[in-house]
Amino acid sequence: DAKTTQPPSMDCAEGRAANLPCNHSTISGNEYVYWYRQIHSQGPQYIIHGLKNNETNEMASLIITEDRKSSTLILPHATLRDTAVYYCIVRANSGGSNYKLTFGKGTLLTVNP
Amino acid sequence: GAVVSQHPSWVICKSGTSVKIECRSLDFQATTMFWYRQFPKQSLMLMATSNEGSKATYEQGVEKDKFLINHASLTLSTLTVTSAHPEDSSFYICSASRAFFGQGTRLTVV
Repeated sequence: DAKTTQPPSMDCAEGRAANLPCNHSTISGNEYVYWYRQIHSQGPQYIIHGLKNNETNEMASLIITEDRKSSTLILPHATLRDTAVYYCIVRANSGGSNYKLTFGKGTLLTVNP
Repeated sequence: GAVVSQHPSWVICKSGTSVKIECRSLDFQATTMFWYRQFPKQSLMLMATSNEGSKATYEQGVEKDKFLINHASLTLSTLTVTSAHPEDSSFYICSASRAFFGQGTRLTVV
């Protein structure tokens, strides 16, 4: 699986957009970009994933650069409950839903009042 | 939506005893489940892949005789930490598929 690089921490004001970057310069053509988050003392939570097109769901938007070497997770209106460690993972999609994930250190996003 | 339930949420045990952690997929069948361990201020590390009806696959450095995994049905996998020691104190998390994780089990060995 391709390695990802994320800033160790970021701050964001409540109500503002949080933009979390991820570099994955060695990503392969068949690898997807996945984002998860982990609130303190809880299990990880899936947020969103994409291959090359931008994606949006009820939680966030995912912007992937045209060369696919980096991406940005956008939380449009951050709340205090969005304070968590955010993990960017690139992984080939085997076609099935069962496969292991390799977690890096992620970005600790702190949303401030 | 699909939910993965993990039990117990936390447990304290004496050194030398064994502890069993359950991971259940509540409304879908999971032929494969994954067990992770997370030490304080560190990321999740995969311990093993649990396969229904067959032996688990352990990651390098994880003692299979110490961390017993049983996946006897399509909705239940269990992780037993045998002869627990204080260094086994950690946050244990299971997952079934890429999208669903249990809430984690905080194990403290005293």
